[in-house]
Amino acid sequence: NAGVMQNPRHLVRRRGQEARLRCSPMKGHSHVYWYRQLPEEGLKFMVYLQKENIIDESGMPKERFSAEFPKEGPSILRIQQVVRGDSAAYFCASSVPGQGSYEQYFGPGTRLTVT
Amino acid sequence: KNEVEQSPQNLTAQEGEFITINCSYSVGISALHWLQQHPGGGIVSLFMLSSGKKKHGRLIATINIQEKHSSLHITASHPRDSAVYICAVYYGGSQGNLIFGKGTKLSVKP
Repeated sequence: NAGVMQNPRHLVRRRGQEARLRCSPMKGHSHVYWYRQLPEEGLKFMVYLQKENIIDESGMPKERFSAEFPKEGPSILRIQQVVRGDSAAYFCASSVPGQGSYEQYFGPGTRLTVT
Repeated sequence: KNEVEQSPQNLTAQEGEFITINCSYSVGISALHWLQQHPGGGIVSLFMLSSGKKKHGRLIATINIQEKHSSLHITASHPRDSAVYICAVYYGGSQGNLIFGKGTKLSVKP
């Protein structure tokens, strides 16, 4: 049973380009969470999605950032017109469906560098 | 402000020592995670608990809901335990709204 997969593991983009980060949850998991870890800072919640539905995007920057989790395929975190301040590690996690608090399993992260 | 405070920030221990990392939070929660982040950056979930105590190998996690406090203990520490240990709590709203501590950087010397 493969764990949470993220790709690419490392991504380099020039300022103004778009970055697309992918996350495939664990088998049987239909809830996906995205977190960002800025250099020398703690993890911060960005967005929580179920298949075809955004549940909570209270941690997403208002502009340039979007996320989706389609019926088929991985969840995508998209950053348009990247700036140097977007350089960070982006982690996704997944959990089983249901109400209440369920354990989240983390992917290896995507390290985005904006030059 | 809802915060998660961890102590200490940095911890150096000799191999074999008993280690305790503390986590305090400011609001009622439904559950608390202890996570381990290796030098390579990957994150592993160690425990999720909402009451009492859990044990896995040399790791023990406890939580006191009334005192809003949790501890992570490592018995017979080993250099491979060197990592950053992160406490995260589920705070109200959707179950995705994890609030993270800044982490405790542990270094175990042989």
